[in-house]
Amino acid sequence: EVQLVESGGGLVQPGGSLKLSCAASGFTFSDSAMHWVRQASGKGLEWVGRIRSKANSYATAYAASVKGRFTISREDSKNTAYLQMNSLKTEDTAVYYCTRPGRPDCSGGSCYSNWFDPWGQGTLVTVSS
Amino acid sequence: DIQMTQSPSSVSASVGDRVTITCRASQGIRSWLAWYQQKPGKAPKLLIYAASSLQSGVPSRFSGSGSGTDFTLTISSLQPEDFATYYCQQANGFPYTFGQGTKLVIK
Repeated sequence: EVQLVESGGGLVQPGGSLKLSCAASGFTFSDSAMHWVRQASGKGLEWVGRIRSKANSYATAYAASVKGRFTISREDSKNTAYLQMNSLKTEDTAVYYCTRPGRPDCSGGSCYSNWFDPWGQGTLVTVSS
Repeated sequence: DIQMTQSPSSVSASVGDRVTITCRASQGIRSWLAWYQQKPGKAPKLLIYAASSLQSGVPSRFSGSGSGTDFTLTISSLQPEDFATYYCQQANGFPYTFGQGTKLVIK
């Protein structure tokens, strides 16, 4: 069974830093991209960013709202992905989920898998003074 | 960025009803659309991917259709466990964006 377990959330002051972890099991982590998605209380879902596999040069991509402040990394030997969050703002307060690409669809000649399955249980980050 | 607009924002229905939720993209996204179900305090769950493919383990009462800019999620006969919030997501390109959600409530 595929499992993703986030940890590291908590209360941090504006301008502070926090590092989230996502421990993966049940699949070949080193072959998979990993994504982070967040959700403010009572609000919708916002994609934060992703990191690809070693075979794809660990390429990263970020939402504009976090680019330059957040960094996604991974440690394949530990089956763990990370989200380093710096210069935190009150608007970064949210539950942060890690997730991975779902089953690919190759019906169009090329394969896409830019949907997310499964998701971790989430970890709450609160940015407040 | 591609904007995703869902309608309605909330819908009230009864067990056994057929419900349709729509999602419109601000530009064409071919068939690269997913639907998720989220219950309070829980992570989202993938229901449909590539606009119409049913995720493994998801009941067949859920179906998706559409391509380009207009998509629908249909629940053919509502069950008590289906009352939740539903989100669409465009998977065409960065940044991946979600609709604002449709809350399905019991009438």
